Amino acid sequence: AQSVTQLGSHVSVSEGALVLLRCNYSSSVPPYLFWYVQYPNQGLQLLLKYTTGATLVKGINGFEAEFKKSETSFHLTKPSAHMSDAAEYFCAVRNRVSGGYQKVTFGTGTKLQVIP
Amino acid sequence: SQTIHQWPATLVQPVGSPLSLECTVEGTSNPNLYWYRQAAGRGLQLLFYSVGIGQISSEVPQNLSASRPQDRQFILSSKKLLLSDSGFYLCAYDRGLNQPQHFGDGTRLSIL
Repeated sequence: AQSVTQLGSHVSVSEGALVLLRCNYSSSVPPYLFWYVQYPNQGLQLLLKYTTGATLVKGINGFEAEFKKSETSFHLTKPSAHMSDAAEYFCAVRNRVSGGYQKVTFGTGTKLQVIP
Repeated sequence: SQTIHQWPATLVQPVGSPLSLECTVEGTSNPNLYWYRQAAGRGLQLLFYSVGIGQISSEVPQNLSASRPQDRQFILSSKKLLLSDSGFYLCAYDRGLNQPQHFGDGTRLSIL
C-alpha cells in the first residue's frame, strides 16, 4: 500500500524567504510523484512531477522538488516566496506497477501563508 | 490541447433532492476519469474512477453513483441528497498511470 505524509498543515513564510514544504511517501517500489497547488474555490493545478530520470525536478512558478529515494521524500522548495504563492499545496504518489490500475494517493495538504 | 470542463460551479440543493454533476474532457481519447470530494480542511477523497466507457469503480460506499455514457463524459449522481453530501467536488482525468491528473474547476455543493 502507498501513503503520503505532508508535515505541517500550515506553513508561514515571509515574502522573499525560502519556501520548504515537506512530503514523505511510503511505497513498496519507487513511485511516480507529483505536487499540485490549489487556490481557493479552484481545482488542483500541477506544479511538477517526477516519473523517471533526473531526481531534481523543476516546475512552474519557480518551484522545484527533489526525489530522494533513501529518505523516501519529495520536498517542494522555492528560493524566494511571493505573495501569489499563498495557496494550498498537495503532494501525491502513484505506484509504478505494470498491469492493472493504480490509484493516486494525495496528502492532506499544506496551506502556505506568505507574510508581507 | 486538452481541457476539462465541469459544471455547475456552485449548487445549492435541498435535502432529499436529486443531483447530477457533469464533467467532459476535450482533446484526448480514452482518458481515465475520476470524481473526488474535498471536505473543508481535509484532503481529497476519491469517490469513483473509470478506465473506460461503462466501467465504474467505487472507492467508498455512499449515497452517490457515477456513470460514463461516453468516452469523455463522466457524471456524478444521487437520487436523494443528504446533508453529509455537502462539499467541493472535483473531476479529473489522466492519460496513463505515469501521467499526472488534470482537474476541473470544481463544484461547490451546499445542501440545505
